[in-house]
Amino acid sequence: GAVVSQHPSWVICKSGTSVKIECRSLDFQATTMFWYRQFPKQSLMLMATSNEGSKATYEQGVEKDKFLINHASLTLSTLTVTSAHPEDSSFYICSAVNRDRGMNIQYFGAGTRLSVL
Amino acid sequence: AQSVTQLDSHVSVSEGTPVLLRCNYSSSYSPSLFWYVQHPNKGLQLLLKYTSAATLVKGINGFEAEFKKSETSFHLTKPSAHMSDAAEYFCVVSANPGNTGKLIFGQGTTLQVKP
Repeated sequence: GAVVSQHPSWVICKSGTSVKIECRSLDFQATTMFWYRQFPKQSLMLMATSNEGSKATYEQGVEKDKFLINHASLTLSTLTVTSAHPEDSSFYICSAVNRDRGMNIQYFGAGTRLSVL
Repeated sequence: AQSVTQLDSHVSVSEGTPVLLRCNYSSSYSPSLFWYVQHPNKGLQLLLKYTSAATLVKGINGFEAEFKKSETSFHLTKPSAHMSDAAEYFCVVSANPGNTGKLIFGQGTTLQVKP
């Protein structure tokens, strides 16, 4: 149980275009999902908290107009990188929160590698 | 404020020998602690979690961790390393007392397993 699917796993796009990444909780409902960015050989950097039915909460320094988050249902959150540029190239990982025996546990997707040319 | 420090950025062991990955935490309240593993170009998989029910926590794939409040440590161990254990390991602490799910990650430890 507690499977999170992230799609696509790898995407290449041209500079100036937008890219949408999907995060789905397959066997549980997730009121809260998180989006992270990971640079090579580094830890995860939290970008934003995605809450179903409300606006996302962005971490300091993350441009909300650049990284659009939509959490339209209890099983789906999307991250859209708008007008992507080479510096946006990175590994993006989502997670979904599942309540397990009274405790909130984050379950992670497999990540999306974005390459902007 | 919550924080977590992984004391080794890189650990190398031989296959069949014990594994020790060290983690110290700082918390102003009773924390929830986790260890996650990340294989190359993959997401994170939960190895184990500490929730104050028991100080010695057993996880998947033969890993376990012991919560030591006096030492503010949560080290990860495994009696015998396998080649498939080679990966990045993250020690993680809950960011707030309500355990809303928000986490604070350590910098990670790369585990290398030599044949």
